[in-house]
Amino acid sequence: SQQGEEDPQALSIQEGENATMNCSYKTSINNLQWYRQNSGRGLVHLILIRSNEREKHSGRLRVTLDTSKKSSSLLITASRAADTASYFCATVRNSGYSTLTFGKGTMLLVSP
Amino acid sequence: NAGVMQNPRHLVRRRGQEARLRCSPMKGHSHVYWYRQLPEEGLKFMVYLQKENIIDESGMPKERFSAEFPKEGPSILRIQQVVRGDSAAYFCASSPSTGKRAEAFFGQGTRLTVV
Repeated sequence: SQQGEEDPQALSIQEGENATMNCSYKTSINNLQWYRQNSGRGLVHLILIRSNEREKHSGRLRVTLDTSKKSSSLLITASRAADTASYFCATVRNSGYSTLTFGKGTMLLVSP
Repeated sequence: NAGVMQNPRHLVRRRGQEARLRCSPMKGHSHVYWYRQLPEEGLKFMVYLQKENIIDESGMPKERFSAEFPKEGPSILRIQQVVRGDSAAYFCASSPSTGKRAEAFFGQGTRLTVV
């Protein structure tokens, strides 16, 4: 199985609600990053959390990291229709190069 | 400062033809990464290059695939004798350094369709 697996695979909510996505990984990491991908487009970097950090905020985004459980969560508060996209977590391992290992992503649909 | 530029955005090739995908990193970035995304999947690392050097090609198929990042010009991902299974979106990312916390900036991708 692969590093960085997100759940749920798909999430459908109404505007104004919060959206929570989870990610699990398997190896020791240096950091974990979350990306957004709009349909048919490239990836946009959202936030990076280091292995020695537990929580990080950026605007309406809140990311947590639990290295003991090898898991992370991304919370989007007060969601908007424009948040509709696929969200991927990606890890950078402690060993080796700074390449990213991605999960399969969570597809978020925010309805007006 | 333009972002990472990939071209073409869409590429259609018949089985057996060659596909050449180009990536111009952001200005000042000397590290380039290629990833492949199959339908409904996350991105899979293929190859990591610095100028004139392949640093890590552990994710690249041993046959038919090659990559280069010459001293001058864009990085090229080359797929020879394409097959239907090569149909995917190919993304390039660049970063200014090799640090593990260096942010990677992604291009819009090249969508390859093999018919």
